[in-house]
Amino acid sequence: DTGVSQDPRHKITKRGQNVTFRCDPISEHNRLYWYRQTLGQGPEFLTYFQNEAQLEKSRLLSDRFSAERPKGSFSTLEIQRTEQGDSAMYLCASSPTTGELFFGEGSRLTVL
Amino acid sequence: GQSLEQPSEVTAVEGAIVQINCTYQTSGFYGLSWYQQHDGGAPTFLSYNALDGLEETGRFSSFLSRSDSYGYLLLQELQMKDSASYFCAVPTPLGGSYIPTFGRGTSLIVHP
Repeated sequence: DTGVSQDPRHKITKRGQNVTFRCDPISEHNRLYWYRQTLGQGPEFLTYFQNEAQLEKSRLLSDRFSAERPKGSFSTLEIQRTEQGDSAMYLCASSPTTGELFFGEGSRLTVL
Repeated sequence: GQSLEQPSEVTAVEGAIVQINCTYQTSGFYGLSWYQQHDGGAPTFLSYNALDGLEETGRFSSFLSRSDSYGYLLLQELQMKDSASYFCAVPTPLGGSYIPTFGRGTSLIVHP
């Protein structure tokens, strides 16, 4: 499978715990995006990488959120001290220079 | 700033034609995209319009009028499997990048 893969697909955690999500983009894509989606809403932008450089971050991304993309390959999104409001689907997408986004299946987070 | 408006829900019968509208406000315009998302699935790219007019891809067509800041997705010969959420998206300037920004989505319900 040469699509975007995300892991884990589902995560249930207790409030205050840290969680980390991984995204493996399509290998030839240099652009990688993280979005968050809640029920009945469109994907909301969180952060953007071009190769290994994190170029943009949304104001939605509080200091509890951090993302990395070492060596411009896979990316991780970590949420520290999770809150119930963090419960959402976290979507990763990669893109060639044309701008069309290829999404992974998402990582669904439930914070109890 | 930027905003996208689309209807929250559209219903139609199998075999019919349905149009999903999207109006946008952006500072600069670099194209309108459409994505489909089935329940529990990832958004998948459908079409992209950078210039005015109609783009046809099989049963799906997408239209853009830049002067009206308006576009639509046209689905013909509706099938039950077309029941899904449909999102319009525009690249939005953020810092030195253009980040795809999504509308809230239109839920299409196809009845037999």
